[in-house]
Amino acid sequence: GESVGLHLPTLSVQEGDNSIINCAYSNSASDYFIWYKQESGKGPQFIIDIRSNMDKRQGQRVTVLLNKTVKHLSLQIAATQPGDSAVYFCAENIGYSTLTFGKGTMLLVSP
Amino acid sequence: DAGITQSPRHKVTETGTPVTLRCHQTENHRYMYWYRQDPGHGLRLIHYSYGVKDTDKGEVSDGYSVSRSKTEDFLLTLESATSSQTSVYFCAISGPPLATANYEQYFGPGTRLTVT
Repeated sequence: GESVGLHLPTLSVQEGDNSIINCAYSNSASDYFIWYKQESGKGPQFIIDIRSNMDKRQGQRVTVLLNKTVKHLSLQIAATQPGDSAVYFCAENIGYSTLTFGKGTMLLVSP
Repeated sequence: DAGITQSPRHKVTETGTPVTLRCHQTENHRYMYWYRQDPGHGLRLIHYSYGVKDTDKGEVSDGYSVSRSKTEDFLLTLESATSSQTSVYFCAISGPPLATANYEQYFGPGTRLTVT
């Protein structure tokens, strides 16, 4: 079957580089945001979340930045590894307990 | 996959036949969701449930129905499958039993459905 990764914007990096994946969200009233990673043939995997009362949150090798003024979200991955190659989605809450997802960015990491 | 299973994992069916997909969780999460994922469209919400027998429509609910008779099971039914329903279907769960805020969603492994 056709891969979910086709027709997506692609970010290509070298192993060891830092990666930045960007996402513009649509609803100025959204107050909760999540980044997901999806490897081929698997379900989306939760990476990190952030609520609108924060502008930055750090996890293991990942940082999410939130700019509510311009409705922009970014995911920074430090020291990118080949295992980070996947499609990355941002999601925003569109109502109580429901999310809407961006179309995703494919990250390709070459050794 | 956070205690979520989906069955079947793959199915091929003919146009006009009914199809039921099952999602089972062992996490006692309050919310359960069905999404479809198609190239060029990303993940789109079909239906969701906020408790036993409590369900609501999502963005692309036409042609689908759901039922949740137990906390752990959420069924998605295509009453009469069409070729446009060929897709990968994901179940997700979220939130503790008395959740009153937004929580991260955890996804199952997916079901690839082909309607011929």
